[in-house]
Amino acid sequence: GDSVTQMEGPVTLSEEACLTINCTYTATGYPSLFWYVQYPGEGLQLLLKATKADDKGSNKGFEATYRKETTSFHLEKGSVQVSDSAVYFCALSDQLGNDMRFGAGTRLTVKP
Amino acid sequence: DAGITQSPRHKVTETGTPVTLRCHQTENHRYMYWYRQDPGHGLRLIHYSYGVKDTDKGEVSDGYSVSRSKTEDFLLTLESATSSQTSVYFCAIRSAVSYNEQFFGPGTRLTVL
Repeated sequence: GDSVTQMEGPVTLSEEACLTINCTYTATGYPSLFWYVQYPGEGLQLLLKATKADDKGSNKGFEATYRKETTSFHLEKGSVQVSDSAVYFCALSDQLGNDMRFGAGTRLTVKP
Repeated sequence: DAGITQSPRHKVTETGTPVTLRCHQTENHRYMYWYRQDPGHGLRLIHYSYGVKDTDKGEVSDGYSVSRSKTEDFLLTLESATSSQTSVYFCAIRSAVSYNEQFFGPGTRLTVL
């Protein structure tokens, strides 16, 4: 079945450092791809998404590009802040939207 | 805020006891989902519902049942809880605007001793 593999971490960075969290997927058909973020004690929040090849999702300085040729959707940010400390999940959804598969999550800690 | 609440937020129970978790939404969304979150596994779908009395199994449905008698409520039941069901449980609803976006509740932390 469809699946997502992401770099598990944890990742620790200093403020203003560059961030990349790798995500690759295996899917039949044409999935939509997502990054969700989970702050401590909270549910998941959608960070960004892309629905077709070469689409770039972006939000709050984070970006990810849907790369069909490498089956990847890596999350990037040029300058992280302490407030970005959270767990980040890569996910994919089939065309019906009911079978959402998540990666294991990557914990990011940003130190001042 | 998609108007999703979960109750209880925390529960400790003993092996073999029945447990019911409730998800309540206020925006009349048709699709609702139950996930469990475990370290190293991310979130995994347990069951989902596509309308009142219409439900289907997800990836990890064994040991769980669900019911939806009203649009606003989606119940998850562990008939006889086991320690392997210790987890954080999240309810989600599907966006009314974008079919493949889901919005999540705050979660229920369940501990089975």
